[in-house]
Amino acid sequence: KQEVTQIPAALSVPEGENLVLNCSFTDSAIYNLQWFRQDPGKGLTSLLLIQSSQREQTSGRLNASLDKSSGRSTLYIAASQPGDSATYLCAVKGVGSNYQLIWGAGTKLIIKP
Amino acid sequence: DGGITQSPKYLFRKEGQNVTLSCEQNLNHDAMYWYRQDPGQGLRLIYYSQIVNDFQKGDIAEGYSVSREKKESFPLTVTSAQKNPTAFYLCASSTLARVQGANVLTFGAGSRLTVL
Repeated sequence: KQEVTQIPAALSVPEGENLVLNCSFTDSAIYNLQWFRQDPGKGLTSLLLIQSSQREQTSGRLNASLDKSSGRSTLYIAASQPGDSATYLCAVKGVGSNYQLIWGAGTKLIIKP
Repeated sequence: DGGITQSPKYLFRKEGQNVTLSCEQNLNHDAMYWYRQDPGQGLRLIYYSQIVNDFQKGDIAEGYSVSREKKESFPLTVTSAQKNPTAFYLCASSTLARVQGANVLTFGAGSRLTVL
């Protein structure tokens, strides 16, 4: 059974730093992996989707990588800003999952001004 | 602007009551989903629907019911059989991608249900 883990559960860094958020999964048979952002009390916003055949995706200051063989994905945020403060969640879609995603619990990121 | 509207944003329920959460989308998406979010846990799928008048149970469907009478609407009823309904509920939608796995989810803002 696929399990998705995000460590640490919370992270606090000074503004301007580059940082990496981690997502690990136990079954490498995946279709894709997605990263989402959630602001407090709000819904989720899709940030990046990486297909199983891809190694990375970039959007602005965000770069997501995927290493299926090791069961890991990282979300790299460059030059962090206070507006990046949010909870970041990753979700994996397994082969044959019929539209089901398996979610990590998220990493709560705080960027200190 | 296209999007997903969930209502109400906050809802309080007494023991033994059924409550219905509304989810409406104007994105012309075929698939719609209901997730439950609890602190410190990943999202868990309650129900999903790929087409009007058809829906499938997710991992935690017990104590919940849904309907899909219109493409735009996918209401969720939390019944009195759900023993621990206090949670944040999220509705989402997506296209039915021809290449399975390419469908990005669009989420509503969520509804917070509290049992008194």
